[in-house]
Amino acid sequence: DVKVTQSSRYLVKRTGEKVFLECVQDMDHENMFWYRQDPGLGLRLIYFSYDVKMKEKGDIPEGYSVSREKKERFSLILESASTNQTSMYLCASGADRVTFFGQGTRLTVV
Amino acid sequence: QKEVEQNSGPLSVPEGAIASLNCTYSDRGSQSFFWYRQYSGKSPELIMSIYSNGDKEDGRFTAQLNKASQYVSLLIRDSQPSDSATYLCAVNRAGGYNKLIFGAGTRLAVHP
Repeated sequence: DVKVTQSSRYLVKRTGEKVFLECVQDMDHENMFWYRQDPGLGLRLIYFSYDVKMKEKGDIPEGYSVSREKKERFSLILESASTNQTSMYLCASGADRVTFFGQGTRLTVV
Repeated sequence: QKEVEQNSGPLSVPEGAIASLNCTYSDRGSQSFFWYRQYSGKSPELIMSIYSNGDKEDGRFTAQLNKASQYVSLLIRDSQPSDSATYLCAVNRAGGYNKLIFGAGTRLAVHP
């Protein structure tokens, strides 16, 4: 079975904190992604990675960074959390034109 | 114009009816098209993919693609209350790497 696992389902963080969201996939996929999902806006691509240590900005990278030190793990970092980063964060991995999602992390920044 | 457009709904259909969900896209270079189902509070789940013009059937689901009209649709036959969810249309971006552009989703409600 395909598996993309995000480290937390729910997180509450304070404004200004550095936040790490972790994602692991067990499908040996080259491509991994971080999206955020907000009501009425759909899923928007933050960053993606096509290989270890390789990354590219998506549509809304401001305020975020990523790390991919191992093929199976892709981390999203909020350098200094702000209230407008309260959202559902979805990790995904893909190959051969098919993309699978993790269960999502609902992050609230207070 | 949004890159991928869907009617937000809600689309309300009676149990047993056919639900028809529509999606238009702007990039004529797109080659791959997907429908994801998302239950409230859950992550998107891939239910159909289609790559060439015409129809593709899988159980109660049929995806239809018309590249000339830049239109893709999803038909759900014999709709069940368990089909009530938001359906997301996704289109691949140029440049490969499985990068997808999503529509905002259509909420489907199947009532008994």
